[in-house]
Amino acid sequence: ETGVTQTPRHLVMGMTNKKSLKCEQHLGHNAMYWYKQSAKKPLELMFVYNFKEQTENNSVPSRFSPECPNSSHLFLHLHTLQPEDSALYLCASSQDVGGEQFFGPGTRLTVL
Amino acid sequence: QKEVEQNSGPLSVPEGAIASLNCTYSDRVSQSFFWYRQYSGKSPELIMSIYSNGDKEDGRFTAQLNKASQYVSLLIRDSQPSDSATYLCAVLIQGAQKLVFGQGTRLTINP
Repeated sequence: ETGVTQTPRHLVMGMTNKKSLKCEQHLGHNAMYWYKQSAKKPLELMFVYNFKEQTENNSVPSRFSPECPNSSHLFLHLHTLQPEDSALYLCASSQDVGGEQFFGPGTRLTVL
Repeated sequence: QKEVEQNSGPLSVPEGAIASLNCTYSDRVSQSFFWYRQYSGKSPELIMSIYSNGDKEDGRFTAQLNKASQYVSLLIRDSQPSDSATYLCAVLIQGAQKLVFGQGTRLTINP
């Protein structure tokens, strides 16, 4: 297993469901990120973790809850989402904050 | 003014020609600039990073940076149909240490 992996690759959930997205990086990096990519909009940074400490929360609604148990793993817990939250959720990592970022394949999320 | 601006395209270029992609940014003190390629349905892939004024070449790709004009570009020589993708410009906002992306330019190489 190399690079940045994400599971699941596709997720369909109702507005009352609770689900989690998982990201794992095998690059020995110290920083990890969650991004949201919606159609016709630029990539939006959601959260930044550096050495498993959250350093950035880009005004993300509380229905998105990140968790970083160690420098290699990052989760995004989802609950009571809205249909407008449907998007591609991308995880990335970099050696340090501000360095070159490498992306995982993403989770395509659909909220019904 | 948007922090990072790109022409959304689509930009159509004949096979074998040079494709030129442009990006402007608003943060005068930014020091790090990146170009990503994103195929439809896939995640962004880093293809170039540039930190100093001037040109940086890697194979068929050349990144150009002009900090005085707050302008960064990507040239693709000998364009191939496989270069058809959306190209994202990203700028590291120095104070916040966060990467801001442009909306991307969709490039189509016509055989």
